[in-house]
Amino acid sequence: ETGVTQTPRHLVMGMTNKKSLKCEQHLGHNAMYWYKQSAKKPLELMFVYSLEERVENNSVPSRFSPECPNSSHLFLHLHTLQPEDSALYLCASSQATGLVSGDTIYFGEGSWLTVV
Amino acid sequence: GQNIDQPTEMTATEGAIVQINCTYQTSGFNGLFWYQQHAGEAPTFLSYNVLDGLEEKGRFSSFLSRSKGYSYLLLKELQMKDSASYLCAVRDPSNSGYALNFGKGTSLLVTP
Repeated sequence: ETGVTQTPRHLVMGMTNKKSLKCEQHLGHNAMYWYKQSAKKPLELMFVYSLEERVENNSVPSRFSPECPNSSHLFLHLHTLQPEDSALYLCASSQATGLVSGDTIYFGEGSWLTVV
Repeated sequence: GQNIDQPTEMTATEGAIVQINCTYQTSGFNGLFWYQQHAGEAPTFLSYNVLDGLEEKGRFSSFLSRSKGYSYLLLKELQMKDSASYLCAVRDPSNSGYALNFGKGTSLLVTP
């Protein structure tokens, strides 16, 4: 139990579907992240939110749409995805702004997404 | 740009010592992190270095040389449960602020 909870753990969706991934952190952190993990590739940063404001968007296609309604919750809305989007999507959180270099990022268990 | 390199796979024997290397080339630097990830599970934090030298935490130690852009993770008295992927990550304030940028990970297999 890392204090970061993701649902669903597994999702299979068609290319025309709309679905959402949910993340909740119970650590009192101020920053939340979405990472994508594909086989044979490094963890790829997708989005960063700090105090509910998006501060980073790493050239992610618009078919991925994040939402951060409060500092404890983060969503990733998915629509018209492609098979190559199949991957493990990891949510993470950290205390603050990174001004303290040792701010550790804590990950959730991930949501396995398969696009068919 | 970001370039973080580590070996893809390593194998070691139970009870032995293994060193996993990581080299990085980043525009900025504000800390290097090591994570452990078992198959199907979340990455979990192992260690952190921001100054040169060795940080020891039980069976795990991590070393950093900023001038060489080099770190290693040292695992002693290996146990079967140490079989996992080990991820090297760098915080680069000039790129993605306080997020971490990861290498591809090193898959470690511990054999009896």
